[in-house]
Amino acid sequence: SAVISQKPSRDICQRGTSLTIQCQVDSQVTMMFWYRQQPGQSLTLIATANQGSEATYESGFVIDKFPISRPNLTFSTLTVSNMSPEDSSIYLCSVDLAGGVSGELFFGEGSRLTVL
Amino acid sequence: AQKITQTQPGMFVQEKEAVTLDCTYDTSDPSYGLFWYKQPSSGEMIFLIYQGSYDQQNATEGRYSLNFQKARKSANLVISASQLGDSAMYFCAMREITSYDKVIFGPGTSLSVIP
Repeated sequence: SAVISQKPSRDICQRGTSLTIQCQVDSQVTMMFWYRQQPGQSLTLIATANQGSEATYESGFVIDKFPISRPNLTFSTLTVSNMSPEDSSIYLCSVDLAGGVSGELFFGEGSRLTVL
Repeated sequence: AQKITQTQPGMFVQEKEAVTLDCTYDTSDPSYGLFWYKQPSSGEMIFLIYQGSYDQQNATEGRYSLNFQKARKSANLVISASQLGDSAMYFCAMREITSYDKVIFGPGTSLSVIP
């Protein structure tokens, strides 16, 4: 398994500002994923972040709004830019240790953002 | 089209009884993996059980078992001897060989265990 730490765990932000969420893993991993979970909803993949390459964004998510950094194999950041109340969600970092179709994801505890 | 369907938005079960949470999926990949996760009110995502598309036997993990019917494309989670701590959201998820860098989640089922 993996221990994944996310910061901040929660925050209240003003409309129009940006917030960066940090994800630290206790082991080196190739694949890291960022998910969004809107209130009462399921998890939606924002992007896949591999070290040494640009993040791959899912349909409906763009780099200008959700820039991602992956400077090494244990760390990643997700920035939520120019926030609006619609961005109020839980943002989850996850990693895959095994890879392939059988590799389950391990999740951080999430970052709960409220945008006023 | 939705790849993962969970038709039960909410379920109730009596403590110590068994409960089945439904999951159907849609894929044309020959190889894929199916997962179940639990999300308590605290928000953490807890991995429960995995079933591979080529696995001959249904997966089991303690009180959790997966009723895998490949031809019907269903992967139902069975929780035996329900406990109060089982009250949570349950998500079915899938990973396909052609897009193994993505794990897709279903809409979830809210389970409430009644004492």
